[in-house]
Parts: sequence; C-alpha cells; structure tokens
Amino acid sequence: AQTVTQSQPEMSVQEAETVTLSCTYDTSESDYYLFWYKQPPSRQMILVIRQEAYKQQNATENRFSVNFQKAAKSFSLKISDSQLGDAAMYFCAFSGYALNFGKGTSLLVTP
Amino acid sequence: EAGVAQSPRYKIIEKRQSVAFWCNPISGHATLYWYQQILGQGPKLLIQFQNNGVVDDSQLPKDRFSAERLKGVDSTLKIQPAKLEDSAVYLCASSLEGLAGVVDTQYFGPGTRLTVL
Repeated sequence: AQTVTQSQPEMSVQEAETVTLSCTYDTSESDYYLFWYKQPPSRQMILVIRQEAYKQQNATENRFSVNFQKAAKSFSLKISDSQLGDAAMYFCAFSGYALNFGKGTSLLVTP
Repeated sequence: EAGVAQSPRYKIIEKRQSVAFWCNPISGHATLYWYQQILGQGPKLLIQFQNNGVVDDSQLPKDRFSAERLKGVDSTLKIQPAKLEDSAVYLCASSLEGLAGVVDTQYFGPGTRLTVL
C-alpha cells in the first residue's frame, strides 16, 4: 500500500520569511509523480508544484521549490518570501496508479 | 482553457433524501475522479473513470452511492439515501494519462459542499 505522511499538522511563518513543509511517502513503484496542492478556505484544490520521480532535478515554480530525495522517499516544499495569500492547507500527494494524499499541513502566515 | 466545472456549489438536505452532483472535466481529459473530503482530512477517492469505464470504485459505498459517466465526458455522482456522515465536500478532478499508465496531474473543480441534517 502507498502511504503519504505529513508530520506537521500546523506551521506558522512571518510574511517575507521562508518555510519548509515536510512530506514522506512509501511505495514500491519506480514510476510516479509527486505533487503539492494548496487548499484555501474555498476548498478548491490548486496545484502548486509537480515532480516527476525519474527526474533528479528539483522542481521550481516561482517562490515554491521542492527538495526531492528519492532514496529517502522525501518530498518537502519550500515557500520563499511568504505572502499572506499563501495561508492555506497544503497537501502532499503521491501518484502511481492512483493519487494518494497526506493529511495536510495548515500554514498560517503572520504579518 | 476552461477548468473543471461542478454544480451545485452548495447543497443542504435532510437525511434519507437523495442528492446528485454534476461534473464537467477539462476538454480532452479522459480520466475523471470523484473524491470525498471530510473536514480536517485529505480527499478520499470514491471512483475513477477512464473514458466511460470504471477503473477503480473500491472505496465507493455502493449501497448508497452511484456514479456514471455517459459518453466519456460529463459525470454525475448520486447519493441515495443520504446519511449524516455523508456531510463533506465532493471534489471532481480530471487528468490526462501519464507515462506507462501512471496518473499525471489532476485538476480539481471548485467542489460541492454537502450538508446532511
């Protein structure tokens, strides 16, 4: 069975600072994708960043970047220059033949 | 490009009533998913369609939930009869197929928030 673990139920960061959200996963598959989704109070899931497992280079999208450690099965998200609009639930997801979500990390951004 | 559309956005019903949700995926996306998300939890897959065939419905409570995807495009999810524990957000998503059958990026609709009283 594939599992995704987010060990931080809540995180807090000051505006303009950097925060890292942790995610680990367990799988025996070799081909897969990893994602971070953001879910604001509206409850719509918004794609933040995507990583292909066969690529060693870490994905980057503007202020968002990941640290993908395939051997360690770790996939953390770094948010730089945090903004008030970044406040949301963040879900890590593993995609093999199905998409498996972690339980989420609630990110609070303080002025 | 239009995103995934869902309706209604909100629904309040009494227990034992029936309810139906509608989803229109992104044009060209063969794979469509329905998720149930209970407050404080991550989304749980209910059913996955590839075109108009069911790929996975192992977590769909088939005694009360049903889903169909006619002509491989729009889909409806029905609950009959509803229970209190069905109160949740129901998310629809669609995707292209990735490499070697692996699921690639899923794009989500705005969801339907269901309250069962």
